[in-house]
Amino acid sequence: KNEVEQSPQNLTAQEGEFITINCSYSVGISALHWLQQHPGGGIVSLFMLSSGKKKHGRLIATINIQEKHSSLHITASHPRDSAVYICAVWERISGTYKYIFGTGTRLKVLA
Amino acid sequence: DAGITQSPRHKVTETGTPVTLRCHQTENHRYMYWYRQDPGHGLRLIHYSYGVKDTDKGEVSDGYSVSRSKTEDFLLTLESATSSQTSVYFCAISDYMTGIGFEQYFGPGTRLTVT
Repeated sequence: KNEVEQSPQNLTAQEGEFITINCSYSVGISALHWLQQHPGGGIVSLFMLSSGKKKHGRLIATINIQEKHSSLHITASHPRDSAVYICAVWERISGTYKYIFGTGTRLKVLA
Repeated sequence: DAGITQSPRHKVTETGTPVTLRCHQTENHRYMYWYRQDPGHGLRLIHYSYGVKDTDKGEVSDGYSVSRSKTEDFLLTLESATSSQTSVYFCAISDYMTGIGFEQYFGPGTRLTVT
């Protein structure tokens, strides 16, 4: 079982739909990171959070530390949101950090 | 965007040849990382550096070496390339963020094909 699991693996939505991508992890973490990988391959940092909720434009990220779960929501989705969304967690072990990535959720938003 | 460049962006090489990938940053960040990305595996850490001449292994370091002689440059070397090293390689940088970890900024990637 992967330490970081994302669901769904693939998602197709119509423009305007509300989208939710989930990330569950099995390790104790100090922070969780949402990243976006564009179709051209570039990777962009979206959010880094350790508790609660963060919002940036149409993107909202939440985390529940007790349940070891985070969600990334996209409101009023648009074709330009089509990308792979990657969840990564920072696990702190004996003073050193280990950065663990999920395998990503591939989102396609149709016009 | 963070100032990170990778070179080359694409390379095709033959099995057994040495290959060096370069990551260059203009942000003066302390930490630099090399990852490989393969279908079904997500990003995996190869090596990282926490300062000039200070490096450590990641989870998939076999067959790779690194060097960092200047803050701005982090080199990844495949001493004798194998077909299993065909991948997309990403460099990343970060600086310490108190309390919650290290937000990383990624380079554009290098697509390496070993034939």
